[in-house]
Amino acid sequence: GIQVEQSPPDLILQEGANSTLRCNFSDSVNNLQWFHQNPWGQLINLFYIPSGTKQNGRLSATTVATERYSLLYISSSQTTDSGVYFCAVESRMRFGAGTRLTVKP
Amino acid sequence: EAGVTQSPTHLIKTRGQQATLRCSPISGHTSVYWYQQALGLGLQFLLWYDEGEERNRGNFPPRFSGRQFPNYSSELNVNALELEDSALYLCASSPPSAGHGYTFGSGTRLTVV
Repeated sequence: GIQVEQSPPDLILQEGANSTLRCNFSDSVNNLQWFHQNPWGQLINLFYIPSGTKQNGRLSATTVATERYSLLYISSSQTTDSGVYFCAVESRMRFGAGTRLTVKP
Repeated sequence: EAGVTQSPTHLIKTRGQQATLRCSPISGHTSVYWYQQALGLGLQFLLWYDEGEERNRGNFPPRFSGRQFPNYSSELNVNALELEDSALYLCASSPPSAGHGYTFGSGTRLTVV
């Protein structure tokens, strides 16, 4: 099946810093989503982005389907951005292992 | 619009017992997906239901089963519980048309003692 790799596995930032999270996938995809899992376990849908670029406030995402990767940008990070960020692909939504982000005040 | 709702929030069972978890999708969504997330691990796909039928299942033993009702709500049943079944169980739903992705519920945390 399709493989999904996320990097980095862990990221520690100071509040206000910017970051880029990456998701590589091994085959062409029709569906790709980015999620944020908060400390209580809830998965929040950030972007549905099988291709192209989208922005929502301080967050933006770009998927280059032909090169099989997606990027999630977080600007001016806040402590509430802490948690695990998952990339998921395809109709059964295969998840990557996630990037654990810690934003320090 | 109400989101995906799961019940109960927490569930404690004894090894060997059965657990039943419930999920109500967003109104208008016809597909329901179940995932298991063991502590500190990623999400593992369990089951996919659409229009009342099981469409796909992940690499889990048959004691993990479920169903989808005519109102599109779903149940996940776990029989003969084992300690390693302790996990967060997440349900997601999606609409019948493509291009909208998943929306997840808050999950049921199952603890087997």
